Amino acid sequence: AQTVTQSQPEMSVQEAETVTLSCTYDTSESDYYLFWYKQPPSRQMILVIRQEAYKQQNATENRFSVNFQKAAKSFSLKISDSQLGDAAMYFCAYRSLGSNSGYALNFGKGTSLLVTP
Amino acid sequence: DVKVTQSSRYLVKRTGEKVFLECVQDMDHENMFWYRQDPGLGLRLIYFSYDVKMKEKGDIPEGYSVSREKKERFSLILESASTNQTSMYLCASRKPTRGGGQPQHFGDGTRLSIL
Repeated sequence: AQTVTQSQPEMSVQEAETVTLSCTYDTSESDYYLFWYKQPPSRQMILVIRQEAYKQQNATENRFSVNFQKAAKSFSLKISDSQLGDAAMYFCAYRSLGSNSGYALNFGKGTSLLVTP
Repeated sequence: DVKVTQSSRYLVKRTGEKVFLECVQDMDHENMFWYRQDPGLGLRLIYFSYDVKMKEKGDIPEGYSVSREKKERFSLILESASTNQTSMYLCASRKPTRGGGQPQHFGDGTRLSIL
Protein backbone atom coordinates (compact mmCIF):
# COMPACT_ATOMS: atom_id res chain seq x y z
CA ALA A 1 0.00 0.00 0.00
CA GLN A 2 1.13 3.52 -0.68
CA THR A 3 2.48 5.43 2.30
CA VAL A 4 1.67 9.09 2.84
CA THR A 5 3.85 11.07 5.25
CA GLN A 6 3.06 14.40 6.82
CA SER A 7 6.12 15.32 8.83
CA GLN A 8 4.62 18.31 10.64
CA PRO A 9 2.14 17.27 13.36
CA GLU A 10 1.46 20.93 14.18
CA MET A 11 1.97 24.24 12.43
CA SER A 12 1.19 27.81 13.37
CA VAL A 13 0.65 30.87 11.20
CA GLN A 14 -0.41 34.45 11.81
CA GLU A 15 -3.44 35.87 10.10
CA ALA A 16 -2.70 37.21 6.61
CA GLU A 17 0.58 35.30 6.43
CA THR A 18 1.45 32.34 4.23
CA VAL A 19 2.04 28.81 5.43
CA THR A 20 3.14 25.65 3.67
CA LEU A 21 2.18 22.16 4.80
CA SER A 22 4.35 19.33 3.58
CA CYS A 23 3.40 15.90 2.30
CA THR A 24 5.45 13.14 0.74
CA TYR A 25 4.30 9.79 -0.52
CA ASP A 26 5.69 6.52 -1.65
CA THR A 27 4.43 4.81 -4.80
CA SER A 28 5.57 2.82 -7.79
CA GLU A 29 2.60 3.93 -9.87
CA SER A 30 2.88 6.54 -12.58
CA ASP A 31 -0.68 7.75 -12.51
CA TYR A 32 -2.70 8.62 -9.41
CA TYR A 33 -4.52 11.42 -7.63
CA LEU A 34 -3.47 13.48 -4.66
CA PHE A 35 -5.79 15.39 -2.37
CA TRP A 36 -5.69 17.79 0.53
CA TYR A 37 -8.63 17.56 2.91
CA LYS A 38 -9.45 19.94 5.74
CA GLN A 39 -11.16 18.87 8.96
CA PRO A 40 -12.26 21.85 11.09
CA PRO A 41 -13.18 21.40 14.75
CA SER A 42 -16.79 20.73 13.65
CA ARG A 43 -15.29 17.57 12.18
CA GLN A 44 -16.69 17.28 8.67
CA MET A 45 -13.89 16.50 6.28
CA ILE A 46 -14.01 18.72 3.21
CA LEU A 47 -11.94 18.72 0.05
CA VAL A 48 -9.49 21.58 -0.31
CA ILE A 49 -7.71 20.76 -3.54
CA ARG A 50 -6.84 17.86 -5.82
CA GLN A 51 -4.02 17.13 -8.23
CA GLU A 52 -3.84 14.62 -11.05
CA ALA A 53 -0.39 13.12 -11.31
CA TYR A 54 -0.24 13.29 -15.09
CA LYS A 55 -0.80 17.06 -15.02
CA GLN A 56 2.38 19.05 -14.56
CA GLN A 57 0.57 22.25 -13.72
CA ASN A 58 0.07 22.81 -10.02
CA ALA A 59 -3.55 22.98 -8.90
CA THR A 60 -4.90 26.21 -7.43
CA GLU A 61 -8.13 26.99 -5.60
CA ASN A 62 -8.34 30.62 -4.52
CA ARG A 63 -5.91 31.05 -1.60
CA PHE A 64 -4.88 27.39 -1.70
CA SER A 65 -2.25 26.07 -4.06
CA VAL A 66 -0.02 23.04 -4.26
CA ASN A 67 3.58 22.45 -5.18
CA PHE A 68 3.56 19.06 -6.86
CA GLN A 69 6.99 17.56 -7.45
CA LYS A 70 6.34 14.18 -9.04
CA ALA A 71 9.95 13.00 -9.19
CA ALA A 72 10.47 13.88 -5.55
CA LYS A 73 7.04 12.45 -4.63
CA SER A 74 6.19 15.62 -2.82
CA PHE A 75 2.83 17.39 -2.62
CA SER A 76 2.85 20.47 -0.37
CA LEU A 77 -0.08 22.78 0.31
CA LYS A 78 0.39 26.54 0.44
CA ILE A 79 -2.21 28.68 2.15
CA SER A 80 -1.91 32.36 1.34
CA ASP A 81 -3.43 35.22 3.31
CA SER A 82 -4.30 32.86 6.17
CA GLN A 83 -7.63 33.40 7.89
CA LEU A 84 -8.90 32.32 11.31
CA GLY A 85 -11.28 29.95 9.53
CA ASP A 86 -8.33 28.05 8.08
CA ALA A 87 -7.57 26.60 11.50
CA ALA A 88 -8.14 22.86 11.17
CA MET A 89 -6.52 19.49 10.77
CA TYR A 90 -5.22 19.05 7.24
CA PHE A 91 -4.84 15.63 5.69
CA CYS A 92 -2.91 14.72 2.60
CA ALA A 93 -4.30 11.71 0.73
CA TYR A 94 -3.30 9.49 -2.16
CA ARG A 95 -5.57 7.56 -4.44
CA SER A 96 -4.46 4.86 -6.79
CA LEU A 97 -6.20 4.46 -10.11
CA GLY A 98 -6.08 0.71 -9.70
CA SER A 99 -9.50 -0.84 -9.11
CA ASN A 100 -8.32 -3.22 -6.40
CA SER A 101 -8.42 -0.44 -3.84
CA GLY A 102 -11.95 0.56 -4.71
CA TYR A 103 -10.55 4.04 -5.12
CA ALA A 104 -10.12 4.36 -1.37
CA LEU A 105 -7.83 7.04 -0.02
CA ASN A 106 -4.54 6.51 1.76
CA PHE A 107 -4.23 9.28 4.31
CA GLY A 108 -1.31 10.85 6.08
CA LYS A 109 -1.51 11.34 9.84
CA GLY A 110 -2.49 14.96 9.52
CA THR A 111 -1.13 18.41 10.35
CA SER A 112 -2.92 20.57 12.88
CA LEU A 113 -2.87 24.19 11.74
CA LEU A 114 -3.28 26.97 14.29
CA VAL A 115 -4.02 30.48 13.03
CA THR A 116 -3.23 33.31 15.43
CA PRO A 117 -4.63 36.84 15.23
CA ASP B 1 -24.38 19.54 -2.54
CA VAL B 2 -23.73 15.99 -1.55
CA LYS B 3 -25.10 15.04 1.82
CA VAL B 4 -23.62 12.16 3.76
CA THR B 5 -25.46 11.60 7.01
CA GLN B 6 -24.25 9.50 9.89
CA SER B 7 -26.99 8.53 12.29
CA SER B 8 -25.21 9.50 15.52
CA ARG B 9 -22.61 12.13 16.40
CA TYR B 10 -21.88 10.48 19.75
CA LEU B 11 -22.51 6.93 20.87
CA VAL B 12 -21.68 5.09 24.09
CA LYS B 13 -21.89 1.31 24.22
CA ARG B 14 -20.70 -1.48 26.48
CA THR B 15 -18.15 -4.18 25.85
CA GLY B 16 -19.66 -7.16 24.09
CA GLU B 17 -22.61 -5.31 22.62
CA LYS B 18 -23.43 -5.48 18.92
CA VAL B 19 -23.16 -1.96 17.56
CA PHE B 20 -24.57 -0.56 14.33
CA LEU B 21 -23.29 2.64 12.74
CA GLU B 22 -25.45 3.89 9.91
CA CYS B 23 -24.52 6.06 6.96
CA VAL B 24 -26.84 7.42 4.27
CA GLN B 25 -25.97 9.47 1.19
CA ASP B 26 -28.41 11.28 -1.04
CA MET B 27 -26.49 11.54 -4.31
CA ASP B 28 -26.86 8.06 -5.76
CA HIS B 29 -23.16 7.33 -5.28
CA GLU B 30 -22.00 3.82 -6.05
CA ASN B 31 -18.90 3.81 -3.85
CA MET B 32 -19.10 4.04 -0.08
CA PHE B 33 -16.40 3.78 2.58
CA TRP B 34 -15.94 3.42 6.32
CA TYR B 35 -12.82 4.87 7.94
CA ARG B 36 -11.61 4.94 11.49
CA GLN B 37 -9.80 8.07 12.75
CA ASP B 38 -7.46 7.96 15.72
CA PRO B 39 -5.12 10.70 16.97
CA GLY B 40 -1.66 10.37 15.48
CA LEU B 41 -2.79 7.65 13.08
CA GLY B 42 -4.85 9.58 10.56
CA LEU B 43 -7.69 7.76 8.83
CA ARG B 44 -7.59 4.05 8.20
CA LEU B 45 -9.91 2.19 5.86
CA ILE B 46 -12.10 -0.46 7.46
CA TYR B 47 -14.36 -1.56 4.60
CA PHE B 48 -15.58 -0.21 1.30
CA SER B 49 -18.35 -1.02 -1.12
CA TYR B 50 -18.29 -0.63 -4.88
CA ASP B 51 -22.05 -0.86 -5.17
CA VAL B 52 -25.14 -2.45 -3.66
CA LYS B 53 -24.50 -5.83 -1.98
CA MET B 54 -20.78 -5.54 -2.73
CA LYS B 55 -18.16 -5.16 -0.02
CA GLU B 56 -14.43 -5.38 0.27
CA LYS B 57 -12.10 -5.40 3.25
CA GLY B 58 -9.89 -2.43 3.82
CA ASP B 59 -6.75 -2.21 5.91
CA ILE B 60 -8.25 -2.93 9.35
CA PRO B 61 -11.41 -5.06 8.96
CA GLU B 62 -10.92 -7.27 12.02
CA GLY B 63 -13.82 -7.03 14.46
CA TYR B 64 -16.06 -5.27 11.92
CA SER B 65 -18.54 -6.21 9.24
CA VAL B 66 -20.66 -4.16 6.85
CA SER B 67 -23.98 -4.27 5.07
CA ARG B 68 -25.05 -2.57 1.84
CA GLU B 69 -28.59 -3.67 1.05
CA LYS B 70 -29.58 -0.39 -0.57
CA LYS B 71 -27.48 1.95 -2.63
CA GLU B 72 -27.88 4.91 -0.32
CA ARG B 73 -27.10 3.13 2.95
CA PHE B 74 -23.88 1.60 4.20
CA SER B 75 -23.85 0.15 7.70
CA LEU B 76 -20.83 -0.65 9.84
CA ILE B 77 -21.32 -3.40 12.41
CA LEU B 78 -19.21 -4.12 15.44
CA GLU B 79 -20.13 -7.73 16.16
CA SER B 80 -18.93 -7.70 19.77
CA ALA B 81 -17.67 -4.29 20.77
CA SER B 82 -14.34 -4.01 22.55
CA THR B 83 -12.65 -1.06 24.23
CA ASN B 84 -10.02 -0.85 21.50
CA GLN B 85 -12.79 0.06 19.08
CA THR B 86 -13.34 3.35 20.86
CA SER B 87 -12.69 5.83 18.07
CA MET B 88 -14.08 8.33 15.58
CA TYR B 89 -15.76 6.65 12.61
CA LEU B 90 -16.14 8.44 9.30
CA CYS B 91 -18.32 7.42 6.39
CA ALA B 92 -17.69 8.64 2.85
CA SER B 93 -19.24 8.22 -0.57
CA ARG B 94 -18.14 8.82 -4.12
CA LYS B 95 -19.43 8.72 -7.65
CA PRO B 96 -17.02 6.71 -9.79
CA THR B 97 -16.14 8.42 -13.04
CA ARG B 98 -13.95 7.64 -15.99
CA GLY B 99 -10.48 8.75 -14.97
CA GLY B 100 -11.15 8.38 -11.26
CA GLY B 101 -10.91 12.05 -10.30
CA GLN B 102 -14.03 12.42 -8.21
CA PRO B 103 -13.32 13.11 -4.53
CA GLN B 104 -14.93 11.40 -1.60
CA HIS B 105 -17.58 13.23 0.40
CA PHE B 106 -17.58 12.69 4.13
CA GLY B 107 -20.16 12.60 6.88
CA ASP B 108 -19.75 14.43 10.20
CA GLY B 109 -18.41 11.35 11.94
CA THR B 110 -19.56 9.27 14.89
CA ARG B 111 -17.52 9.37 18.07
CA LEU B 112 -17.97 5.92 19.58
CA SER B 113 -17.00 5.09 23.13
CA ILE B 114 -16.94 1.49 24.32
CA LEU B 115 -17.03 1.13 28.10
